[in-house]
Amino acid sequence: QKEVEQDPGPLSVPEGAIVSLNCTYSNSAFQYFMWYRQYSRKGPELLMYTYSSGNKEDGRFTAQVDKSSKYISLFIRDSQPSDSATYLCAMMIQGAQKLVFGQGTRLTINP
Amino acid sequence: EAGVAQSPRYKIIEKRQSVAFWCNPISGHATLYWYQQILGQGPKLLIQFQNNGVVDDSQLPKDRFSAERLKGVDSTLKIQPAKLEDSAVYLCASSTRTSGRYEQYFGPGTRLTVT
Repeated sequence: QKEVEQDPGPLSVPEGAIVSLNCTYSNSAFQYFMWYRQYSRKGPELLMYTYSSGNKEDGRFTAQVDKSSKYISLFIRDSQPSDSATYLCAMMIQGAQKLVFGQGTRLTINP
Repeated sequence: EAGVAQSPRYKIIEKRQSVAFWCNPISGHATLYWYQQILGQGPKLLIQFQNNGVVDDSQLPKDRFSAERLKGVDSTLKIQPAKLEDSAVYLCASSTRTSGRYEQYFGPGTRLTVT
C-alpha cells in the first residue's frame, strides 16, 4: 500500500465549475499537508499548505485536512482554463526531512 | 529573485551510457533536493543535501546514481550506467531553513530518455 493515494484522473470539467481533488494517506504521523500545481513541462509550485487538521482558504482555493479520516481535499471555485494542470498532494512528518507525494491528478478546465 | 536553474532541459542517451545533470539552487538556500518523476507519477526524493552534507539518500540507487554538492551551492546528479527504467524527469528543488522544509522551490527539470 502506498503511503499517499491520489486518483490520477484525468478530470475534465467546464469553466466555472467547482473542482474537488482528494488524497488519502496511511501514515498517521504526517502533520504538514501541501498541494502543488504542475504545469506541463514545468516543475511543481507550492499552491497551499496546511498544518494538522482544519481548513485554509486562499482566493478561489480551499484546502481541507481531516486527520481522523486520513483524507485531504483541495477545492477550486470558479475554475478557469488557466487552472488546467496536474495537482499533486504532498505530506511531511513534523521534523522529518522529506515530502511524500501523491501520484497527481491531471485536471483540464474546458472553456 | 532567480529561480532554481537546471541543465540540460532534455537528454537522450542509450542504455549503459552515462549522463550528468546540473542544478543551481536559489541563492541562499541551504537545502537542495533531487527528485525523480516518472511519467504519470509524483516526484520521488532521491537525495537531500543540507549545505554540502547528505541528509537523506535512502532512495538513491547507489550502484548507478551519485550526487555531489561542492561548496554547498551547485549540485550534479550522475547516472552510470543508465537503464531503460531511468527514463524520467529529474527535478531539483531548494528551500531555506527559515521558510520551512515544506516550502520547496522546484526547477523546470531535466527530461531524460534512455533508449
